[in-house]
Amino acid sequence: AQTVTQSQPEMSVQEAETVTLSCTYDTSESNYYLFWYKQPPSRQMILVIRQEAYKQQNATENRFSVNFQKAAKSFSLKISDSQLGDTAMYFCAFIFDTDKLIFGTGTRLQVFP
Amino acid sequence: GAVVSQHPSRVICKSGTSVKIECRSLDFQATTMFWYRQFPKQSLMLMATSNEGSKATYEQGVEKDKFLINHASLTLSTLTVTSAHPEDSSFYICSASRGLNEQFFGPGTRLTVL
Repeated sequence: AQTVTQSQPEMSVQEAETVTLSCTYDTSESNYYLFWYKQPPSRQMILVIRQEAYKQQNATENRFSVNFQKAAKSFSLKISDSQLGDTAMYFCAFIFDTDKLIFGTGTRLQVFP
Repeated sequence: GAVVSQHPSRVICKSGTSVKIECRSLDFQATTMFWYRQFPKQSLMLMATSNEGSKATYEQGVEKDKFLINHASLTLSTLTVTSAHPEDSSFYICSASRGLNEQFFGPGTRLTVL
């Protein structure tokens, strides 16, 4: 079975600081995609970053970057220069050939001024 | 691009009535659409997957007769909650895929059944 685990239910960070959210997954598939989604208080799901498993290079989107460790099945999200607007629920997710997204339980991030 | 809308955003209904929620991909044709349910402070739970012109595939434990899904076109899918009861109150989210292993999410519909 494919599973995604987010071991940090809640995290907090001060504005302008850096925070890392953890995610591990379990799969026997060799080709898959990993995502981080953000769900702010509006509850709109927003794609933050995406990583293709066959690419060794870690994905980066402005202040957001991932540390993808395929052998360890780890996919952490680093947010640099945190902003108040980063306050949200963050979901790690995984997809393979079925097109179904498998979500983790989420990490609630609070950015303090 | 890749915008998905949902209507209504919020609905309150009486117990026993049926409620229809629409999901539209506004600027692309969606090969597949998905319906999720989200309880407060929890993750998204996939309810069903639908492809245009074919019957939806429901996840285990989801009642097909309670949650009717119609995927009439490549840009429209509807979820009808039939004979709604208070336990059906939840936040319902749709997403649409255009392939490339990426889903685009609608803004969600908050259903409250009195």
